[in-house]
Amino acid sequence: NSKVIQTPRYLVKGQGQKAKMRCIPEKGHPVVFWYQQNKNNEFKFLINFQNQEVLQQIDMTEKRFSAECPSNSPCSLEIQSSEAGDSALYLCASSLQQGASAETLYFGSGTRLTVL
Amino acid sequence: GEQVEQRPPHLSVREGDSAVITCTYTDPNSYYFFWYKQEPGASLQLLMKVFSSTEINEGQGFTVLLNKKDKRLSLNLTAAHPGDSAAYFCAVSPNAYKVIFGKGTHLHVLP
Repeated sequence: NSKVIQTPRYLVKGQGQKAKMRCIPEKGHPVVFWYQQNKNNEFKFLINFQNQEVLQQIDMTEKRFSAECPSNSPCSLEIQSSEAGDSALYLCASSLQQGASAETLYFGSGTRLTVL
Repeated sequence: GEQVEQRPPHLSVREGDSAVITCTYTDPNSYYFFWYKQEPGASLQLLMKVFSSTEINEGQGFTVLLNKKDKRLSLNLTAAHPGDSAAYFCAVSPNAYKVIFGKGTHLHVLP
């Protein structure tokens, strides 16, 4: 069973409000991914980190999201001004990255965001 | 960039029948492949990680086939049971920091 912990499980916000979700990666995993899974089950990559450093992020994330993975604290993903289209399941995953090979992503249970 | 197409989007089979889900990908440099299972309200659970060097991979109750020539990855549940009812996702990874998911297959196993 995955030991990636995401909170809260459910989040309801009004349009224009901030929406913040957190993720504690599996112990010892330096790499963290955030994905958005929409109602059609499509995964959209948002951002990933290695330790505290951002590796990659998409344009939307750079413009509208605030994300960090501080040492000794949960990672967080915050939408600065929620839009209806942000309603989705936000999945955090961590991996034990070693060299250039792809390691398995271990997923949390997700935060389901509903923007009214 | 890499594109992953997963078929079928929905699949219903009777208990004991086989169920086959297929993904095709475009990047010939993809080296790592994953199958995940997602039950309703639950997280994604890894079924199998496949390296490009291995064509046939057997798990508990399922087989994963990789055809590099056709760039096709398939998951074959050999004798499905109701507990297999879930959404299944393939994922393709060309390198350590990029993972592209298929759109998923909703499998329903009828008793």
